[in-house]
Amino acid sequence: GENVEQHPSTLSVQEGDSAVIKCTYSDSASNYFPWYKQELGKRPQLIIDIRSNVGEKKDQRIAVTLNKTAKHFSLHITETQPEDSAVYFCAGGGYSTLTFGKGTMLLVSP
Amino acid sequence: GAVVSQHPSWVICKSGTSVKIECRSLDFQATTMFWYRQFPKQSLMLMATSNEGSKATYEQGVEKDKFLINHASLTLSTLTVTSAHPEDSSFYICSARGSPSGGQETQYFGPGTRLLVL
Repeated sequence: GENVEQHPSTLSVQEGDSAVIKCTYSDSASNYFPWYKQELGKRPQLIIDIRSNVGEKKDQRIAVTLNKTAKHFSLHITETQPEDSAVYFCAGGGYSTLTFGKGTMLLVSP
Repeated sequence: GAVVSQHPSWVICKSGTSVKIECRSLDFQATTMFWYRQFPKQSLMLMATSNEGSKATYEQGVEKDKFLINHASLTLSTLTVTSAHPEDSSFYICSARGSPSGGQETQYFGPGTRLLVL
């Protein structure tokens, strides 16, 4: 089955800095890679996703890149703000199921 | 955006009782729903995949007789924790796969149910 590794487990940045979270996957058949943001005690919220036919996708301050050859994908957050503080999960898979990474706790300090 | 509800949001029960959790997709039809379990400060662990009108597919290590799943309609899946014990205490989250806006499908999560078994 799919195995998704996520790094780092924690990330602290100053407000205004950029944050990058990286994930690798094992199953070359995986073709869908969403990113979720989960605030404490709340549900995971989809923030951006990318499919295997695209190498990069951007939505305002958030971007995701995908390298199919190397089997890794990354989340980039620019101009971070305190409200970006949360746990971020990457996931990989396809139509049937998603396998989640272990999560990255992002802390943005004012 | 897509709305997935879960009920109850939290439940406290005595050991040995059964607890039913409902997951509903409110504004779209979901042929497939997923049940996850999340321990504090940990990731989402897939328990089972629930398909409307057929038996659920359980992940390795998940007891199907312990965690009963029923996907009775395109908008409702239920998870019943039978004969609950303290080790079943956890945060249970469902998700529904769909495309509310008509685009490509993705998973939308419910708000979760916090279960505490005394």
